[in-house]
Amino acid sequence: GENVEQHPSTLSVQEGDSAVIKCTYSDSASNYFPWYKQELGKRPQLIIDIRSNVGEKKDQRIAVTLNKTAKHFSLHITETQPEDSAVYFCAASKTGGSYIPTFGRGTSLIVHP
Amino acid sequence: NAGVTQTPKFQVLKTGQSMTLQCAQDMNHNSMYWYRQDPGMGLRLIYYSASEGTTDKGEVPNGYNVSRLNKREFSLRLESAAPSQTSVYFCASSDRTYYGYTFGSGTRLTVV
Repeated sequence: GENVEQHPSTLSVQEGDSAVIKCTYSDSASNYFPWYKQELGKRPQLIIDIRSNVGEKKDQRIAVTLNKTAKHFSLHITETQPEDSAVYFCAASKTGGSYIPTFGRGTSLIVHP
Repeated sequence: NAGVTQTPKFQVLKTGQSMTLQCAQDMNHNSMYWYRQDPGMGLRLIYYSASEGTTDKGEVPNGYNVSRLNKREFSLRLESAAPSQTSVYFCASSDRTYYGYTFGSGTRLTVV
């Protein structure tokens, strides 16, 4: 089955800095890669996703890049703000069959004012 | 538009008691899921229902049962609660057009 490794487990940055979270996956057939943000005590919420036919996708201050050859994808947050503080989860799945994503263990991002 | 609604939000059970967690979605999604979240363990799939009338085990199904009551509702039952089932439980749904999950607000369950 699919295996997703996420690093780092904790990331501490100063407000205004950039933050990068990386995930690797094992199944070359995976073709859908979402990222979820979970604020303390809240539900995970989808913030951005990318499909395997695209190398990069951007939405304001967040972007995701995908390297299919190396089987890794990354979340980039620029100009971080305190409200970006949360746990971020990556996931990988195939968009066929029963569609069950495999989640990474999560990265706790702390943005210091 | 409520999205995914879970009840209850909090629950304390004694060991051996039973309870059912309720989940309903109003987005006409085909697939529904139950996850548990424990510190340092991420999200672990308990059971899922790819479509109305089907259910399948996930990564950690022991001690749980599910019912896909109709397209909207997917319940999770603990028949005999154990302290190891203390966790936060999330229901989620998705469809085949847009694969991202929509999560419910979660149920914080404590078994004493």
